[in-house]
Amino acid sequence: GEEVAQTPKHLVRGEGQKAKLYCAPIKGHSYVFWYQQVLKNEFKFLISFQNENVFDETGMPKERFSAKCLPNSPCSLEIQATKLEDSAVYFCASRSSGNTIYFGEGSWLTVV
Amino acid sequence: AQKITQTQPGMFVQEKEAVTLDCTYDTSDPSYGLFWYKQPSSGEMIFLIYQGSYDQQNATEGRYSLNFQKARKSANLVISASQLGDSAMYFCAMREVGGGSTLGRLYFGRGTQLTVWP
Repeated sequence: GEEVAQTPKHLVRGEGQKAKLYCAPIKGHSYVFWYQQVLKNEFKFLISFQNENVFDETGMPKERFSAKCLPNSPCSLEIQATKLEDSAVYFCASRSSGNTIYFGEGSWLTVV
Repeated sequence: AQKITQTQPGMFVQEKEAVTLDCTYDTSDPSYGLFWYKQPSSGEMIFLIYQGSYDQQNATEGRYSLNFQKARKSANLVISASQLGDSAMYFCAMREVGGGSTLGRLYFGRGTQLTVWP
């Protein structure tokens, strides 16, 4: 597709439940990134992929967060045992070999 | 240290006037890229403009231009002829390309909320 497609747009989970978010990068883009936006003005890098390979996962809280980009499937970001502080907008972004990085519309996670 | 600093939490501009949103950056990587994104209240992140560290000319895209001053490490966004629809949060971001990291995560500033009034 011509845009980064993220689903679901909104997700509500009780504390301790699992949350799974999906991202289909722009067709032909082999680089995928996940970011967390907290309080509307703070972006935190989580993880990046080149095709299905993890490139940089230094931003991931590994004890509860995991991500995959498998061939012929949307990329996913999964949070096990969600906490209140996980409430945020999760953005997926993709890039081809060029410079521009395009973002999806975000998935709004609310943990109650 | 902050990689990207946006010192203006909020800016106001009258319709049809020009406005400059400030951004300074910090990197020792000689190869990097600078980005501006617009985030309206609906939440999506819209790419506006890109400037590479080796680009000789300031980037322009329609009403957007990037005032790139490399020695001062600044990359200010200039919006000419502001429109009501320009009201949004604007984020400056940087990607470091060198140092073996060819993918390069984006480092974001904390944003500037622009309000355009009639």
